[in-house]
Amino acid sequence: DAGVTQSPTHLIKTRGQQVTLRCSPKSGHDTVSWYQQALGQGPQFIFQYYEEEERQRGNFPDRFSGHQFPNYSSELNVNALLLGDSALYLCASSQGQGNQPQHFGDGTRLSIL
Amino acid sequence: AQSVTQPDIHITVSEGASLELRCNYSYGATPYLFWYVQSPGQGLQLLLKYFSGDTLVQGIKGFEAEFKRSQSSFNLRKPSVHWSDAAEYFCAVGPLYNTDKLIFGTGTRLQVFP
Repeated sequence: DAGVTQSPTHLIKTRGQQVTLRCSPKSGHDTVSWYQQALGQGPQFIFQYYEEEERQRGNFPDRFSGHQFPNYSSELNVNALLLGDSALYLCASSQGQGNQPQHFGDGTRLSIL
Repeated sequence: AQSVTQPDIHITVSEGASLELRCNYSYGATPYLFWYVQSPGQGLQLLLKYFSGDTLVQGIKGFEAEFKRSQSSFNLRKPSVHWSDAAEYFCAVGPLYNTDKLIFGTGTRLQVFP
């Protein structure tokens, strides 16, 4: 039973560029959430997708956008990259709405030069 | 404001010793509480969760946590630590019956000496 998978594992970009990160949820899960984890910090909620729509959003600028596909996989897009966007980006999946815990992938390490 | 506080940034214990990691939360309603563990270079693994019922919950890898409403705490414990328990531990809180938008603490790094 495959868990949450994310690609790529590492990525290096320069300021001003754009990046797309990808996530495939755990089998049977239909809800995908994205988190940003800066070095030495806990994860910060970016947004959540359910039924191909953004359901809830954290305190992140519009440079951060996402998409969910019919197969429940998801992408996180970040435009106009800043040095402060360097972080581990975690994808989490869960089943529907309710008290089901989120399962996390291993993340994508994004470094901005 | 909703928040999670993990007062201990770094804890060092000897293998075989007992462990308690502290977590305090500030939340307007009855929360849904979690502990996650993160090994270097990896994502978060769920250790245990609490949303109702018995305030002492059992998790994986021999961990347990106790919810104390009066103290707004959800401390993680293990009676005997193994070297493989060395990792970063995160407490998180979310709205009851809705796992959207988890709020995480800043984590506690556990180091285990042989």
